[in-house]
Amino acid sequence: AQSVTQPDIHITVSEGASLELRCNYSYGATPYLFWYVQSPGQGLQLLLKYFSGDTLVQGIKGFEAEFKRSQSSFNLRKPSVHWSDAAEYFCAVGARDTDKLIFGTGTRLQVFP
Amino acid sequence: NAGVTQTPKFQVLKTGQSMTLQCAQDMNHNSMYWYRQDPGMGLRLIYYSASEGTTDKGEVPNGYNVSRLNKREFSLRLESAAPSQTSVYFCASSGLTSPDTQYFGPGTRLTVL
Repeated sequence: AQSVTQPDIHITVSEGASLELRCNYSYGATPYLFWYVQSPGQGLQLLLKYFSGDTLVQGIKGFEAEFKRSQSSFNLRKPSVHWSDAAEYFCAVGARDTDKLIFGTGTRLQVFP
Repeated sequence: NAGVTQTPKFQVLKTGQSMTLQCAQDMNHNSMYWYRQDPGMGLRLIYYSASEGTTDKGEVPNGYNVSRLNKREFSLRLESAAPSQTSVYFCASSGLTSPDTQYFGPGTRLTVL
């Protein structure tokens, strides 16, 4: 069965610092991987997705993620965090020929000025 | 283009009352989903519909029913609300490929007293 683990419940960084949010998945075949962001009181918005091809994926708002099959990971990165990046971030995994996604439990990002 | 809309935004119920959460999308998507979001548990799938006229249970279907009224609309009904159903409910839709990006509504915050 598919599963997603986000080991960090809460991360705090200073504005301008680099960021890496961890995501590990469990799936037998090639997974389809997503990162979503949720601002307070809002729905989820897609940041980026990986289906195949280049393992380094660029997304919106300056985010990128790298698919590492050997580590079953899809970590989200940003070189310089802005105060507006404070939000909750969700990793999700899907599989070919299914519409359903499995979401991780989320990582809440706090940004200090 | 409104995307995914949900009504109401907020609702307070007493135990045993019933209500229906409404969801509509204007992106001509085939698949629609209902999730609940609880602190520390991420998003859990309640029901989904792969196409008009079909619905399937997700991870946490007990206490809920759904109707896929047409391609645009997917409603979630609580027949006899319980305090354990206090949550934030999100509707989402996705397009033709499997899996595909899911687009989320703004959510309904439900409190059951």
